[in-house]
Amino acid sequence: DVLMTQTPVSLPVSLGGQVSISCRSSQSLVHSDGNTYLHWYLQKPGQSPQLLIYRVSNRFSGVPDRFSGSGSGTDFTLKISRVEPEDLGVYYCLQSTHFPYTFGAGTKLELK
Amino acid sequence: EVQLVETGGGLVQPGRSLKLSCVASGFTFNNYWMSWTRQAPGKGLEWVASITNSGGSTYYPDSVKGRFTISRDNAQNTLYLQMNSLRSEDTATYYCTRIGLWVFDYWGQGVMVTVSS
Repeated sequence: DVLMTQTPVSLPVSLGGQVSISCRSSQSLVHSDGNTYLHWYLQKPGQSPQLLIYRVSNRFSGVPDRFSGSGSGTDFTLKISRVEPEDLGVYYCLQSTHFPYTFGAGTKLELK
Repeated sequence: EVQLVETGGGLVQPGRSLKLSCVASGFTFNNYWMSWTRQAPGKGLEWVASITNSGGSTYYPDSVKGRFTISRDNAQNTLYLQMNSLRSEDTATYYCTRIGLWVFDYWGQGVMVTVSS
């Protein structure tokens, strides 16, 4: 199975600040079709996860441009700029290149 | 608006069975693969099962293979998860998810399953 390693586990932030979350996979996430199926989610307290970024760098419908994704191969990053209160919660990466699909363990974004 | 509404959760004894349902609306159900994903209390996310849009193929991780069965009724816009031989480690909130763009793009509100004697 592909192991997804997310860092840090906890990320204190000030409102208006900028943060980065790392997600590394134990093997390349480049699919045989040439696409890379690495995605990012935010789970706010008491809610279901919501899709932010799909296929490394594509923002999902309605996601503000404060969120950006980058990376390739086995090394990926989610950046959040101008952090707002509604950005707080747990962020997960997901790979759907290889079965079984696997998630990172999560990064909790919280106020300093 | 895409909506996924799960039902069927509850308290069940170890070794028993439970069947979850998910009614979908707001999109053409038979055009999309669907999945179940779960989250144990206070823990992270785990993919549980996926099914193609026709229902002809299904996929599972080893942790549930042979015990869980995903199925769908495209005429009723409904996704199912039959869970047999339940274990305490299956205790979790189970989410119905749509697969669009090869990603879980929409999630239901979740349904709680507790396996305990």
